[in-house]
Amino acid sequence: DAGVIQSPRHEVTEMGQEVTLRCKPISGHNSLFWYRQTMMRGLELLIYFNNNVPIDDSGMPEDRFSAKMPNASFSTLKIQPSEPRDSAVYFCASRPRDSSNQPQHFGDGTRLSIL
Amino acid sequence: DQQVKQNSPSLSVQEGRISILNCDYTNSMFDYFLWYKKYPAEGPTFLISISSIKDKNEDGRFTVFLNKSAKHLSLHIVPSQPGDSAVYFCAASGYNAGNNRKLIWGLGTSLGVNP
Repeated sequence: DAGVIQSPRHEVTEMGQEVTLRCKPISGHNSLFWYRQTMMRGLELLIYFNNNVPIDDSGMPEDRFSAKMPNASFSTLKIQPSEPRDSAVYFCASRPRDSSNQPQHFGDGTRLSIL
Repeated sequence: DQQVKQNSPSLSVQEGRISILNCDYTNSMFDYFLWYKKYPAEGPTFLISISSIKDKNEDGRFTVFLNKSAKHLSLHIVPSQPGDSAVYFCAASGYNAGNNRKLIWGLGTSLGVNP
């Protein structure tokens, strides 16, 4: 049974470029979460979707960040334009259903470096 | 303002001994708590959880204790093994204003188990 799949695993790009991170949740899971991990702030929730609908995007740092979930098996997190302070590890997680105590299942993350 | 605090950034124990990882929280609305384990270059994986209606939950070598009056929980690993060396995250959840759940995470404690 495949877990949460994220791509790319590593991304290095120059400041000002557009960055797109991808996530395929576990089949049958209908809640999807995007997190950012930094040394100073730990794991921060950016946005989460339930049944492909964004429920809470209060963690999205600014308008340069956007996320979409066009269908139940795919989501993207886009940064445009990227800045050096966006460098972090970005995790995607999915969960069987919202409003539940089911644990979230994480992908292995995308390590993003903006030069 | 950290609602979930793991005050020990790191912990070192001998193989076979007990590891105790601590977590404090400030929000009395939290009613479900989880521990995740993370190896380098991987995503966090769910370890064990506890509901606020309980004060203890055990799964093999792992036991989580919850003290609601002190807003404190701890993870005990007995006996500790070198493979337990990882970063351990405490997370808490409760229903927010939108009747949805999201996890609030601590910054993690890095556990090293020495052979």
